[in-house]
Amino acid sequence: QKEVEQNSGPLSVPEGAIASLNCTYSDRVSQSFFWYRQYSGKSPELIMSIYSNGDKEDGRFTAQLNKASQYVSLLIRDSQPSDSATYLCAAQNYNQGGKLIFGQGTELSVKP
Amino acid sequence: GAVVSQHPSRVICKSGTSVKIECRSLDFQATTMFWYRQFPKKSLMLMATSNEGSKATYEQGVEKDKFLINHASLTLSTLTVTSAHPEDSSFYICSARPTGHNSYEQYFGPGTRLTVT
Repeated sequence: QKEVEQNSGPLSVPEGAIASLNCTYSDRVSQSFFWYRQYSGKSPELIMSIYSNGDKEDGRFTAQLNKASQYVSLLIRDSQPSDSATYLCAAQNYNQGGKLIFGQGTELSVKP
Repeated sequence: GAVVSQHPSRVICKSGTSVKIECRSLDFQATTMFWYRQFPKKSLMLMATSNEGSKATYEQGVEKDKFLINHASLTLSTLTVTSAHPEDSSFYICSARPTGHNSYEQYFGPGTRLTVT
């Protein structure tokens, strides 16, 4: 079992819809979770971090964390074509020097 | 804030030569930097953790004598790919974690695309 798993997609949603991206992790001691967006040929860009159970909202983005279920999600409201990218979920364990363990990424396509 | 630069952004070298890639945190200090490589359509693979003033910690399967890492200051880490071969062609990305912050967020550089001919 991979440490961090995501559906590779592609996930296709129409413009204006809500895109829902999911991620599960296997290491129960992971403390912090991050969502990165990566456009083709570019490096990842941090869009959300979450450390506590529940929801965290930032603009059109909402991250959700459920440590009991070992589940992290990212919702993108009012999806735009410019949101089309690969979204990487990452888990972090402070006891491992803070290194990030990445999922394989979910490719999102927002159709005009 | 939290800007990380990499140089060069793209490099082509001949097989057997060495290439140095620089990673700089421009507006913050970073005790810890990380080096990743990424193949097309694949996720990021952590190569090593670079700590200022000490030896890097390499991930399993990464040759430390081939991928030399130096973290001489709180704003600069370098990765040298020694005796490069075509299979070393990849997208190399560094990240930096701000020193003294309560969070463990990492900020990525723009990446260096290495092509070995």
